[in-house]
Amino acid sequence: AQSVTQLDSQVPVFEEAPVELRCNYSSSVSVYLFWYVQYPNQGLQLLLKYLSGSTLVKGINGFEAEFNKSQTSFHLRKPSVHISDTAEYFCAVSDRGSFQKLVFGTGTRLLVSP
Amino acid sequence: AAGVIQSPRHLIKEKRETATLKCYPIPRHDTVYWYQQGPGQDPQFLISFYEKMQSDKGSIPDRFSAQQFSDYHSELNMSSLELGDSALYFCASRPLEGKNTEAFFGQGTRLTVV
Repeated sequence: AQSVTQLDSQVPVFEEAPVELRCNYSSSVSVYLFWYVQYPNQGLQLLLKYLSGSTLVKGINGFEAEFNKSQTSFHLRKPSVHISDTAEYFCAVSDRGSFQKLVFGTGTRLLVSP
Repeated sequence: AAGVIQSPRHLIKEKRETATLKCYPIPRHDTVYWYQQGPGQDPQFLISFYEKMQSDKGSIPDRFSAQQFSDYHSELNMSSLELGDSALYFCASRPLEGKNTEAFFGQGTRLTVV
């Protein structure tokens, strides 16, 4: 079974500063990795995904993440955040077998202030 | 582009009542997933269907049941509702075949049990 750990429940940051949201996963099989964003009272929107290939993955809204197999990590980064990036961010993992389901981390609330 | 449609968007029910949530997947998506997100919680997998058959089961209470119909839409039936069932219920769909293994989420149904 897979599990996801998001170490930071909340990350405060000033506008235009860089940010890193941490995600570590545990799995006995090969996995796919995802980052989703959830704005207040909204659904889940995919930011980016790692399926295979290059370990540096670029997503929407200027976000990127790097898959590190040895450290079982998939940290999300953005070089310069905006007020509008304030939201809840979920890291998720699924195995590569059929009928994969997503296992989510507990989420990290990114709070961007002016 | 067509997205996952969930109805209703909001639902208020009393304790011990029943509720039915509906999910209409993206066309040509044959796999549907249901998730429950309690207040301040991460989404928890409930159940999934592939080609109208249950494919996986998570932490779904016995009071809940679900099915996928011939047109691939799915319904989550919830009986003997409890206050703790108040949550945001997400449906997601994905095509089983192909390289794109991303799951697309609907906006969710917010169920409030009073």
